[in-house]
Amino acid sequence: DVVMTQSPLSLPVTLGQPASISCRSSQSLVYSDGNTYLNWFQQRPGQSPRRLIYKVSTRDSGVPDRFSGSGSGTDFTLKISRVEAEDVGVYYCMQGTHWPWTFGQGTKVE
Amino acid sequence: QVQLVESGGGVVPPGRSLRLSCAASGFTFSNSPMHWVRQAPGKGLEWVAVTSHDESNKHYADSVKGRFTISRDNVKNTLYLQMNSLRAEDTAVYYCARDGFGTIDYWGQGTLVTVSS
Repeated sequence: DVVMTQSPLSLPVTLGQPASISCRSSQSLVYSDGNTYLNWFQQRPGQSPRRLIYKVSTRDSGVPDRFSGSGSGTDFTLKISRVEAEDVGVYYCMQGTHWPWTFGQGTKVE
Repeated sequence: QVQLVESGGGVVPPGRSLRLSCAASGFTFSNSPMHWVRQAPGKGLEWVAVTSHDESNKHYADSVKGRFTISRDNVKNTLYLQMNSLRAEDTAVYYCARDGFGTIDYWGQGTLVTVSS
């Protein structure tokens, strides 16, 4: 199985300051169609997960543009340009290239 | 809008069975592969199973293979998860989720399964 490793696991942030989460996969996430199926999800306290970004860098509709995704191959990053109070929660990366799909351990932004 | 509503969770003794349901609306269910994802209390997300739109292809996590069965009824727009031989480590919130090809684009609100004597 592909192992997804996030760091840090806990990320204290200051409102208005940037934040960054790393996600590394144990093998390349490039699919045979040329796409890279790396996703980022946000889970606010007491809520279901919500997708923020798919295919490494495509932001979902309604997701603020302070969120951005980047990376390739096995190394990926989620960046928040200026953290706002509503960004508190746990962030997960997930690969959808290889079966079984696998999640990172989660990064708690607080 | 897309809605996924899970039901069927509860408290069940170890070794027993439980069937979860997920009622889908707001999209063409019969065209969409569907997933189950779970989250143990205070823990991270774990992908459980997926079925193609017509049940011709299914995949399972190793932790549930041989015990859980994913299925669907495209007339009733409902996804199921039959869970047999339940263990304490199966205790979790179970989410129904829609596939977006290499991604999950919508999640339900989840249903809690507690395996305990």
